Amino acid sequence: EAQVTQNPRYLITVTGKKLTVTCSQNMNHEYMSWYRQDPGLGLRQIYYSMNVEATDKGDVPEGYKVSRKEKRNFPLILESPSPNQTSLYFCASSWGAGGLYEQYFGPGTRLTVT
Amino acid sequence: GQQVMQIPQYQHVQEGEDFTTYCNSSTTLSNIQWYKQRPGGHPVFLIQLVKSGEVKKQKRLTFQFGEAKKNSSLHITATQTTDVGTYFCAGSGGSYIPTFGRGTSLIVHP
Repeated sequence: EAQVTQNPRYLITVTGKKLTVTCSQNMNHEYMSWYRQDPGLGLRQIYYSMNVEATDKGDVPEGYKVSRKEKRNFPLILESPSPNQTSLYFCASSWGAGGLYEQYFGPGTRLTVT
Repeated sequence: GQQVMQIPQYQHVQEGEDFTTYCNSSTTLSNIQWYKQRPGGHPVFLIQLVKSGEVKKQKRLTFQFGEAKKNSSLHITATQTTDVGTYFCAGSGGSYIPTFGRGTSLIVHP
């Protein structure tokens, strides 16, 4: 089944404790991206990747890191999480640039930073 | 940078009434996409519009792209409870990196 998977689905952590949210897709998509969703603010792009070893900042990259060492995986790293990073995070993938092709979204990761 | 405004933020309707959400961009778009997110779910792609003045239909849903390619709308005829969710537009410029609107949450009362 074609899908985007994220882990963990739920995470409660404390300020400053490094964490990684994994994202994997099995559709051989070139483009992958991370979004955060906050009430009333919609989906805001954190980082995107056009291909392996090619990543770029989105609209809200501060406090986040990403890497794209393999085509299928695009982990999101929070080196020192803070409470303002409490949010619902979505990973997405598509054949090419996300605005040109349908993006497939993962199920989401709900992160709480205390 | 590119901004995409979407209104209204919420819309309550009685089942059977029509619903419309609007997106406006500060710049001319190359294309626009629409997504639907059910409560507790993830966004799911509905459609993409590319041409100036384009109109596409999916059953009770009608999507329009403005002549100037700076605005778009989604209209649902005779809403049903299955239409409940948040509808997002996502506009792209020449780089085709999408900017999402804040979404319109549709609440349908039976």
